[in-house]
Amino acid sequence: DSGVTQTPKHLITATGQRVTLRCSPRSGDLSVYWYQQSLDQGLQFLIQYYNGEERAKGNILERFSAQQFPDLHSELNLSSLELGDSALYFCASSEEGYGYTFGSGTRLTVV
Amino acid sequence: EDKVVQSPLSLVVHEGDTVTLNCSYEVTNFRSLLWYKQEKKAPTFLFMLTSSGIEKKSGRLSSILDKKELFSILNITATQTGDSAVYLCAVHYPNSGYALNFGKGTSLLVTP
Repeated sequence: DSGVTQTPKHLITATGQRVTLRCSPRSGDLSVYWYQQSLDQGLQFLIQYYNGEERAKGNILERFSAQQFPDLHSELNLSSLELGDSALYFCASSEEGYGYTFGSGTRLTVV
Repeated sequence: EDKVVQSPLSLVVHEGDTVTLNCSYEVTNFRSLLWYKQEKKAPTFLFMLTSSGIEKKSGRLSSILDKKELFSILNITATQTGDSAVYLCAVHYPNSGYALNFGKGTSLLVTP
């Protein structure tokens, strides 16, 4: 157990729907990062939050959004889902610094 | 454009072999290069390299960075079937906190 908790582990939903992925960082970590991993694109950075504030943005679609709450857990919201959004979504956390710990991921399947 | 390129994309070796995985990068404002191992799910951290020419070692795994030539290698000696995994190399995006730009990975299969 890495200490980073992601729920749910698996999610199957239809095109056009909206889903929310949840991440609880390791105790004491202020930063949360979201990544998407697909077969063709590899592991891609989406967005980072630090202590409730957006810190950096990567290749995140406008249909996707995230937030970090006062208790430091984070949610990634994916809307108007398309087949191509099917992927593994990872959350990672760090206190602040170079190396961080990944959660076990949420596998999203859009049908 | 910042990029990380890993080679080979896949590799099959026999137990006991030594393997070398390659990672080349182009990134502005380089800070560090990281190696991760990904088995079934989450990537797990192996090494972080910031200084050129200094080898990091952990058991049978070692890694070194060449900042002049912009590449790193990950060596695994006396491979075991448990080393079968995807090995990911990443560098930090410039001006993006500590977000990582990952390569596509090298898929290593160690056969008995």
